[in-house]
Amino acid sequence: QQQVKQSPQSLIVQKGGIPIINCAYENTAFDYFPWYQQFPGKGPALLIAIRPDVSEKKEGRFTISFNKSAKQFSLHIMDSQPGDSATYFCAGKGGSEKLVFGKGTKLTVNP
Amino acid sequence: DGGITQSPKYLFRKEGQNVTLSCEQNLNHDAMYWYRQDPGQGLRLIYYSQIVNDFQKGDIAEGYSVSREKKESFPLTVTSAQKNPTAFYLCASSIPGQGTEQYFGPGTRLTVT
Repeated sequence: QQQVKQSPQSLIVQKGGIPIINCAYENTAFDYFPWYQQFPGKGPALLIAIRPDVSEKKEGRFTISFNKSAKQFSLHIMDSQPGDSATYFCAGKGGSEKLVFGKGTKLTVNP
Repeated sequence: DGGITQSPKYLFRKEGQNVTLSCEQNLNHDAMYWYRQDPGQGLRLIYYSQIVNDFQKGDIAEGYSVSREKKESFPLTVTSAQKNPTAFYLCASSIPGQGTEQYFGPGTRLTVT
C-alpha cells in the first residue's frame, strides 16, 4: 500500500502554542519522510525531513518525531507564530523516485 | 537565479480544448514531476521523468500527456479527455537518488469552463 494518512485536516492554535500534525504510512519500504510547507497560491517548499534510523530531528522551531514500529511520524511547531499559518504536507518515499503525499493540514495561528 | 518556472500563473480555457502548461528548470536536475492539487486532496502525481526522452505515468495520468525532449523542460498537455481539468498544477524537479529534495515551481492555476 502506498498511502500516507495525515491528520488533522485543519488546526487552529494561538500564538505561542505547539501545533502537532500526525502522519501514518503503510509501505515499510519508505526510507525518507519529508514535510513540506505551502502558502496560498505558492508551490510547496521543503521544511524538514527525516530518515527512519533516527527518532527525532529538530530544525529551529520545527521537530519531527518518528516511530518506526508504529509506522507513524509527526511534526511539532514550537512557539508557533502567525507567519507559520500555511498548509503542511507530510510525504513518504521508497525505492522509486515517487513521493507519496498526505492530504495536508491547514494550520492557522491566531495572534 | 536557479529555480523552476511555470507559466502562465493563471490559464483559462474552454471545455474541449487541449492546453499545454510550461515547466522549465535551470537546476540541472535529471528528474522532473507533474502534480495536480485539488482542495483537500493533497498532491497527486500525474507523470514523472527521470531522464531525457523517458517518462512514466503517475497515479492520475488519464487525460494528460507529457514530453521530455530537453533536460530543462517538461511540458504537460491537458487534453479534452481529462474529465475535471480545473485544478492547481505543480511542477517539481530533483536529483534522482535516495532522500533528495523535490523543488517545486510556483504552480499554474487552470480553469476550464
